[in-house]
Amino acid sequence: SAVISQKPSRDICQRGTSLTIQCQVDSQVTMMFWYRQQPGQSLTLIATANQGSEATYESGFVIDKFPISRPNLTFSTLTVSNMSPEDSSIYLCSVSASSGNTIYFGEGSWLTVV
Amino acid sequence: DAKTTQPPSMDCAEGRAANLPCNHSTISGNEYVYWYRQIHSQGPQYIIHGLKNNETNEMASLIITEDRKSSTLILPHATLRDTAVYYCIVRVGGLTGGGNKLTFGTGTQLKVEL
Repeated sequence: SAVISQKPSRDICQRGTSLTIQCQVDSQVTMMFWYRQQPGQSLTLIATANQGSEATYESGFVIDKFPISRPNLTFSTLTVSNMSPEDSSIYLCSVSASSGNTIYFGEGSWLTVV
Repeated sequence: DAKTTQPPSMDCAEGRAANLPCNHSTISGNEYVYWYRQIHSQGPQYIIHGLKNNETNEMASLIITEDRKSSTLILPHATLRDTAVYYCIVRVGGLTGGGNKLTFGTGTQLKVEL
C-alpha cells in the first residue's frame, strides 16, 4: 500500500482567504484524487488530478474554486479559494497504483472557516 | 456504479465476530465489492475487496453470495478499535470506465462495546 502524507492536517482559516493542501505519496502512483467530506456527511469526489494537464472535475466542482496541480507522479495540491464557512470540511487525497484495483486515502486535512 | 444498501448502525460485543451486511442487487458482472472503514477523524482505510470468490486477509473476511447480490464483511474478533463507519462500495476494476471513482454511501456505524 502507498503511504500518503497531507499538509496541513488541520487549519482554521479566515473567510475570503485561500488555502493550499499538499499531498505527497511515497511511491509513484498512476492516479491521484481529491475528496471532500462535509461535517456528518459521506465522502464526495471533487476531481481527478492529472499529471501534466488540467484536473478532471466532478459535477458541482469548478477549477476556479478548487484549482489542482499535479507536477509529478508523487505530488499534488488542492487549493480551496475564497473560502466561506460552507467550505469547512475534511479534504482527502487518495491514490491508485497502476493496477487500479485499490484506492488508498490520506489522513485528511481538516479545514474550519471562520 | 451500482448502489449499495447497508444498515445505518450495528453493535457488537468485544471479542465476538462482527458481521456487516451489504446489498448490491444491481451489481454488474465486472464490478467488484470493496469495503472501507473510517475511524472518527481519520481517512478511510481499505479493508478488502472481491469479485465473486470469498476473500480473507489479516483484517477481515468477505463473503459474497453466489448471485453476487449481497455480501458480508466479517471481523472475526472485534475489538474496541474496530469501532468505525464501514462502507460497502461496488466499482469496476481498474481505472477505466469510471473505475477511478469511489461512490461512498452512508455506511454502517459499528460500535464495539465491552
